[in-house]
Amino acid sequence: ETGVTQSPTHLIKTRGQQVTLRCSSQSGHNTVSWYQQALGQGPQFIFQYYREEENGRGNFPPRFSGLQFPNYSSELNVNALELDDSALYLCASSSEGRAMNTEAFFGQGTRLTVV
Amino acid sequence: QQQVKQSPQSLIVQKGGISIINCAYENTAFDYFPWYQQFPGKGPALLIAIRPDVSEKKEGRFTISFNKSAKQFSLHIMDSQPGDSATYFCAASMETSYDKVIFGPGTSLSVIP
Repeated sequence: ETGVTQSPTHLIKTRGQQVTLRCSSQSGHNTVSWYQQALGQGPQFIFQYYREEENGRGNFPPRFSGLQFPNYSSELNVNALELDDSALYLCASSSEGRAMNTEAFFGQGTRLTVV
Repeated sequence: QQQVKQSPQSLIVQKGGISIINCAYENTAFDYFPWYQQFPGKGPALLIAIRPDVSEKKEGRFTISFNKSAKQFSLHIMDSQPGDSATYFCAASMETSYDKVIFGPGTSLSVIP
């Protein structure tokens, strides 16, 4: 196990609702990245938080937002849910402010279904 | 230009055989190429990674071959085992640009006894 925990593991929401996903980073890690993995596809980078500040963003609309807390845990918030938001949402933590060039440890993901 | 292409989409290999997954990229600014392994219900886990100044990297049964001029890299799994059955993703990123991490679409590997 990586030490990165995500909650909840599964979630069903209705189109138009809002959702908050949570991630606890591995001990000693100060960087959290969020990814969206649609069924049968590779993960897509949403954004990264480094020491409580957004440190980069992928091609996702503003209704995807996040927070990082002083203990380096993080939240992903998605407003006005759309059917296409149905996916596995992955959190990855690392020890530096870069997404992948130091090893990033992934959580098991939250499976979000929008109906 | 930001894509990482990956093939095949799925692969069936007999136990003891060699599994080969190929990836290609276009953006020459990429300078880090990791491979991730993902089991059902789990997040991806880093398997092995290479930088373009090296043509080959081997860790146990896993080898990455890198061809900088062709902008291609591949993963070879020697002596494939049923426990290797998983989805494999190649990826690419630029050290100076966190938002340039690109995953390939994945290869579903099944190793049959």
